[in-house]
Amino acid sequence: DADVTQTPRNRITKTGKRIMLECSQTKGHDRMYWYRQDPGLGLQLIYYSFDVKDINKGEISDGYSVSRQAQAKFSLSLESAIPNQTALYFCATAGGRVDTQYFGPGTRLTVL
Amino acid sequence: AQKVTQAQTEISVVEKEDVTLDCVYETRDTTYYLFWYKQPPSGELVFLIRRNSFDEQNEISGRYSWNFQKSTSSFNFTITASQVVDSAVYFCALDSGNTPLVFGKGTRLSVIA
Repeated sequence: DADVTQTPRNRITKTGKRIMLECSQTKGHDRMYWYRQDPGLGLQLIYYSFDVKDINKGEISDGYSVSRQAQAKFSLSLESAIPNQTALYFCATAGGRVDTQYFGPGTRLTVL
Repeated sequence: AQKVTQAQTEISVVEKEDVTLDCVYETRDTTYYLFWYKQPPSGELVFLIRRNSFDEQNEISGRYSWNFQKSTSSFNFTITASQVVDSAVYFCALDSGNTPLVFGKGTRLSVIA
């Protein structure tokens, strides 16, 4: 089984809908991250969490919110999806400061 | 501020050629870590290597090798005898612990049979 899983893997939704992307990990890592990837722009950090009670905004947090339900689970919500949030979303985990980040398989989100 | 530049947006080579992917970074921190990730057409991000700023030894893993030069702030990645399966987008990244991991914009490598 994969160490970092993301659900759903693909999602098509309409403008204005609320959507949640989920991430679970079995690596026992404290740190979890959400990124989005747009063609030609690399990866941009949305939110990150160093433990259940520590959540921080990344460079592009507007329009997104997160919830760290447990050490192993970190969810990303789009409260009211808009077309320019169409992207590939990745969850990642790391054991500690400057440790390697391990990525989930990604969720391809399309907002019509 | 931390910055990673991958100046090569796309590279195309013929199978069995050697290819080098460039990565130049900027940081004021003396302790930092550099990474390379591979993103094949299937989309997942695969970790390749992590190197700390105090270890300038080059590293070789099979057909892959990495050249770290602090004097030029570069951490270049060479694939020897490239294969079609090497076709992917490759990302270089920098982490000093003071700010979140910073990625370059990636280099798309196409290996043609």
